[in-house]
Amino acid sequence: GDSVTQMEGPVTLSEEAFLTINCTYTATGYPSLFWYVQYPGEGLQLLLKATKADDKGSNKGFEATYRKETTSFHLEKGSVQVSDSAVYFCALSGAAGNKLTFGGGTRVLVKP
Amino acid sequence: GAGVSQTPSNKVTEKGKYVELRCDPISGHTALYWYRQSLGQGPEFLIYFQGTGAADDSGLPNDRFFAVRPEGSVSTLKIQRTERGDSAVYLCASSLMGGPNTGELFFGEGSRLTVL
Repeated sequence: GDSVTQMEGPVTLSEEAFLTINCTYTATGYPSLFWYVQYPGEGLQLLLKATKADDKGSNKGFEATYRKETTSFHLEKGSVQVSDSAVYFCALSGAAGNKLTFGGGTRVLVKP
Repeated sequence: GAGVSQTPSNKVTEKGKYVELRCDPISGHTALYWYRQSLGQGPEFLIYFQGTGAADDSGLPNDRFFAVRPEGSVSTLKIQRTERGDSAVYLCASSLMGGPNTGELFFGEGSRLTVL
């Protein structure tokens, strides 16, 4: 079945540092890929998505590129802020498109 | 409010009891999802409604879990004979139409269930 694996946290960074969160997936066919973010005390929110190979999703300074050859969708941000402290979830939607399959989440803490 | 609303936000119950968790989706959203999130893990799919019908209930772990959406809006997740392993945050999400490939899912803040 479909699955998503992402790096375990917590990841602790200083403000303005570069952030990478690795995500790889297993799926049949051509899934759509997503990053969701959960800020403290809030519900999950869509951060960005990509629906086909080589697509790049971007939002709020975050980027991720759909790499079919390596089955990866790594999240990157060039200069993090304290407000980026949150839990980040990689997810996929398979061929049926009925549901999201999530990774385990990566907690990111940005210190001033 | 305009977002997905879930009640109660916290529920503590004893092993063996029956619980109901309610989800009020964004007005006009036809698709509704229930997920379960255990501590330190990602959300796990339970069930997906399109309108009043369950389009995919493959994630319900056993027959103690049941969900309804009788009028195509509010949904209730029902858990019978609760067990300690049912303790988790239960998340609800809605989207305007169809699955995540066709529209963004909007999540509520969840109902935290603790079974003693």
